Parts: sequence; structure tokens; C-alpha cells
Amino acid sequence: SQTIHQWPATLVQPVGSPLSLECTVEGTSNPNLYWYRQAAGRGLQLLFYSVGIGQISSEVPQNLSASRPQDRQFILSSKKLLLSDSGFYLCAWLSVRGTGELFFGEGSRLTVL
Amino acid sequence: AQKITQTQPGMFVQEKEAVTLDCTYDTSDQSYGLFWYKQPSSGEMIFLIYQGSYDEQNATEGRYSLNFQKARKSANLVISASQLGDSAMYFCAMRVRRGNTDKLIFGTGTRLQVFP
Repeated sequence: SQTIHQWPATLVQPVGSPLSLECTVEGTSNPNLYWYRQAAGRGLQLLFYSVGIGQISSEVPQNLSASRPQDRQFILSSKKLLLSDSGFYLCAWLSVRGTGELFFGEGSRLTVL
Repeated sequence: AQKITQTQPGMFVQEKEAVTLDCTYDTSDQSYGLFWYKQPSSGEMIFLIYQGSYDEQNATEGRYSLNFQKARKSANLVISASQLGDSAMYFCAMRVRRGNTDKLIFGTGTRLQVFP
């Protein structure tokens, strides 16, 4: 069965420090992968998605970047964090079977101080 | 442009009663999919129900049903016989597929609180 994991689960970082959130998927090949951010009490905002290795589409101009070095690995990064980068980050993959719903990872809660 | 709108920031319902969470969408596509997700306080996103734009019948999954009104572009979630464990954030989403683009866009969510 397919599973998705992301880490770390919780992160507290100072302004100006770098960031790396990692997401891996198991049990499927060539998945579409997504990074969403949820600010406190807000909806989900799509940040990046990827349809294959090295292919990244950015939805919103921002301080973050994404990379897909391997088929089932998706990384969210920043060179210098801003206070506004605080939030709950969710990685997801798109099922191409059935209804085509998104399956989400456990989430990473980032607090920038 | 595609958009999902959830106009209810918060809703209250008494246990065992039914509740409707509103969702309207905007798209010019003929083929699309609509989803509802539940997000408990733990943060995990739980898929609840799906409605395809060509489905003639409203989707149902246990206590969840989707009231799909295509002409009005609405896809409201109905939860019957509410339980305390239904207290959570609920998100409506729409699948957008164009060329290489295949993604889900989400509404701002509705926080449901079920009281005894």
C-alpha cells in the first residue's frame, strides 16, 4: 500500500536561518507530489507541485523553493526564513486511481521566531 | 479562474443532529471533481467524499453526503447524526486538470463544533 511520510514534525527556527522539509512516498512510482501551507486558522495554499524528477511548478512567489531529486522524494527549502513562513506544511501525492484524491503526510509545523 | 468558496468560518451543531457545510465553486471546465476533507486538531487531512461533475447522483459515504447542485455550482457537505468526534475543520476542494497541471485547490475551511 502507498504511504507518505514527512519530517520533521515540528520545527522552531530563528529568522534568517535555512529550512529543509523532506517528504517521501512509498508504494507508488512517478507520483504527482505537492507542498501545501496552512497558516494558523487558514485554508490550504498550494506552494509547489511536481509531476516528475526535476520538474517543479511554483504556484505563489515566495521565499521558498522545492526540489525533487528522486522519483519519490520532494523537498521544501529556504535559504533564509521569514516570520511569515510560519505555518503547517503538508506534503501530498495524487492518486491516479479511483477518484483521484490527495493523500497527505502527517504535516510539519514550522514556527519562525 | 478556478476558485472554492466556503462562507462559514464556524458552525455549531448539537450531537445527533444533521449539519450542512456550504461550498461553492467557480470553474469553466466541463469535467472536474469535488472533494471534502476533514482536519482534526491533530492536523492530519482525512478524505471524506468525492463528487464528479458528470455524476448524476449525489455521493454518499456513511453519514456523509454531498448535496451537488451543478447549476448553482454548489457542493455542500451534509453530516447526519453528528458525533462529538466530528468536531474538526472541514475543507472543500476542487481538482483542476489542464495540460500538465493536475492539482487540488482548497477553500478556507469551516470549523465545526459538535456539542452534547
